[in-house]
Amino acid sequence: QVQLQESGPGLVKPSETLSLTCTASAGSVSSGSYHWSWIRQPPGKGLEWIGHVYYTGSTNYNPSLKSRVTISLDTSKNQFSLKLRSVTAADTAVYYCARDIGQYYYMDVWGKGTTVTVS
Amino acid sequence: DIQMTQSPSSLSASVGDRVTITCRASQTITTYLNWYQHKPGKAPRLLIYAASGLQSGVPSRFSGSGYGTDFTLTISSLQPEDFATYYCQQSYTAPFTFGPGTKVDI
Repeated sequence: QVQLQESGPGLVKPSETLSLTCTASAGSVSSGSYHWSWIRQPPGKGLEWIGHVYYTGSTNYNPSLKSRVTISLDTSKNQFSLKLRSVTAADTAVYYCARDIGQYYYMDVWGKGTTVTVS
Repeated sequence: DIQMTQSPSSLSASVGDRVTITCRASQTITTYLNWYQHKPGKAPRLLIYAASGLQSGVPSRFSGSGYGTDFTLTISSLQPEDFATYYCQQSYTAPFTFGPGTKVDI
């Protein structure tokens, strides 16, 4: 069963770029059966889908973040990454990576999440 | 964007109770509706996919139903480990939006 693990700085300064990586183990990000997503949860709030990437490199982003987000794939390292530019305190959240399946895009495998504070 | 609403926002229940949570989409999403369980400090867990599909490993006391805009998650007999927040999510069209959550506590 594939497992996902987020990694990256826990503290980012305002106006800088948040960079996170998700490493997949026991499974390949090159599989054509899945998309690879980022989701976040600000303190005290609900879940927000940020976007996802397919093994071809094609992406789909939440329009609310599209101008600041890049999600990319590194098949050689079996990883995918998130970059969020020009962050503010509103970007403080727990960030999760997840795998979503096929045409129904349900997220069946999640990382444990990593807390990022913008301050 | 498709807006998702859930009711109730929270509920108190006892072990053994039957619990029903409702999710509504702002436009039709056919069966592109998924349910997740989320506990503090843990990753969300997929319970139900495509409105009524039971994810592998999820107990059969969880069930989902619905089509179009109105959906239901039912827990037939609440267990101590079921106290959590439950989210619905539409995957009909991007951005894939979540409901605001329903917190189930004792």
